[in-house]
Amino acid sequence: GDSVTQMEGPVTLSEEAFLTINCTYTATGYPSLFWYVQYPGEGLQLLLKATKADDKGSNKGFEATYRKETTSFHLEKGSVQVSDSAVYFCALLNYGGATNKLIFGTGTLLAVQP
Amino acid sequence: KAGVTQTPRYLIKTRGQQVTLSCSPISGHRSVSWYQQTPGQGLQFLFEYFSETQRNKGNFPGRFSGRQFSNSRSEMNVSTLELGDSALYLCASTPGISEGTDTQYFGPGTRLTVL
Repeated sequence: GDSVTQMEGPVTLSEEAFLTINCTYTATGYPSLFWYVQYPGEGLQLLLKATKADDKGSNKGFEATYRKETTSFHLEKGSVQVSDSAVYFCALLNYGGATNKLIFGTGTLLAVQP
Repeated sequence: KAGVTQTPRYLIKTRGQQVTLSCSPISGHRSVSWYQQTPGQGLQFLFEYFSETQRNKGNFPGRFSGRQFSNSRSEMNVSTLELGDSALYLCASTPGISEGTDTQYFGPGTRLTVL
């Protein structure tokens, strides 16, 4: 079945450091890919998405490119801030089964220190 | 537009009881999905409703059930609660127009604790 693999956390960075969180997927067909972020005590917020190969999603300085050849959707940010500290989830949506079922990775905790 | 709302935000129940959680989607959204989040299992899909019909169900026992009303509001019910049902239950809504690419918008969740 479809699955998402994320790098284990926690990831601890200093403010203004470069961030990469790796995400790879296994899926049949052509899934859509998402990054969601969860702040403490809150639900999930969409960070960015890409719906087809070579699409780049971007938002708030974060970017990820849908790479079908490597089945990857790595999250990057050039300069992190303390306020970026949160848990980040990579997810895929494969509509082949006519359903909006999201499949999530395990999440990566990011801690940014001043 | 108002976001996805979930009530109640917190619940404490004892084993064997049942519980009903409510989700109001964004106005105009027709699809509502439910997810369970636990530290051990992560985020797992429970079920999805579209236009009052269950479209898909995750791998959960029959104690977990749900429904959707004509105004797209949804409820999920867990009967005969077990300690392992303690979790954050998240509801997500999506327009249901561009299937497969629509963004799912999540509510703040209901934190269920089973004692």
